[in-house]
Amino acid sequence: GAGVSQSPSNKVTEKGKDVELRCDPISGHTALYWYRQSLGQGLEFLIYFQGNSAPDKSGLPSDRFSAERTGGSVSTLTIQRTQQEDSAVYLCASSWTRSSYEQYFGPGTRLTVT
Amino acid sequence: AQSVTQPDIHITVSEGASLELRCNYSYGATPYLFWYVQSPGQGLQLLLKYFSGDTLVQGIKGFEAEFKRSQSSFNLRKPSVHWSDAAEYFCAVGSYNTDKLIFGTGTRLQVFP
Repeated sequence: GAGVSQSPSNKVTEKGKDVELRCDPISGHTALYWYRQSLGQGLEFLIYFQGNSAPDKSGLPSDRFSAERTGGSVSTLTIQRTQQEDSAVYLCASSWTRSSYEQYFGPGTRLTVT
Repeated sequence: AQSVTQPDIHITVSEGASLELRCNYSYGATPYLFWYVQSPGQGLQLLLKYFSGDTLVQGIKGFEAEFKRSQSSFNLRKPSVHWSDAAEYFCAVGSYNTDKLIFGTGTRLQVFP
């Protein structure tokens, strides 16, 4: 079956521009997660969705970051006024329920801010 | 504070040799523990997980891990490494009462023929 997909796979943008990153979770998965992986770092939790609501936004690094999920499926992570420190790989994961913890990851979007 | 430590940033082994990747955690609640593998340009794949019960867990690709509560460790092992095991390995911790996983910084495994 289809796994988690993310688009674009690579994104190069100029500092100050806005970017949108998309995640398509596995069909039927109610929980969706965004993580950020910076060079030499582990995965940093950004935000978690259960259905369309986001009970945990604690990981969003600043108010330039926002995310939404519609129809309990596709999610979009938006970064406004990008900065060079936003350069990273953004990973999306999904799981059947919040308690399952078997998170299935997408291939990521590599964002480069020049 | 909740944290996961993978003390080895980079490990090099010869093909056919045994492997142990270290993971230590600091977590207030009963931990759920995971090992993920990330091949270049790929997302993370779950190797194995521990929730409760037998402290020695078996995973995919011939990997196993042992939970040692007294040492706050969850080390990953493989008796004989294959060249295709070269990748980055991440240990993670979660719990029944939290939604997010906390990841270590990863260990990059290099395998020489």
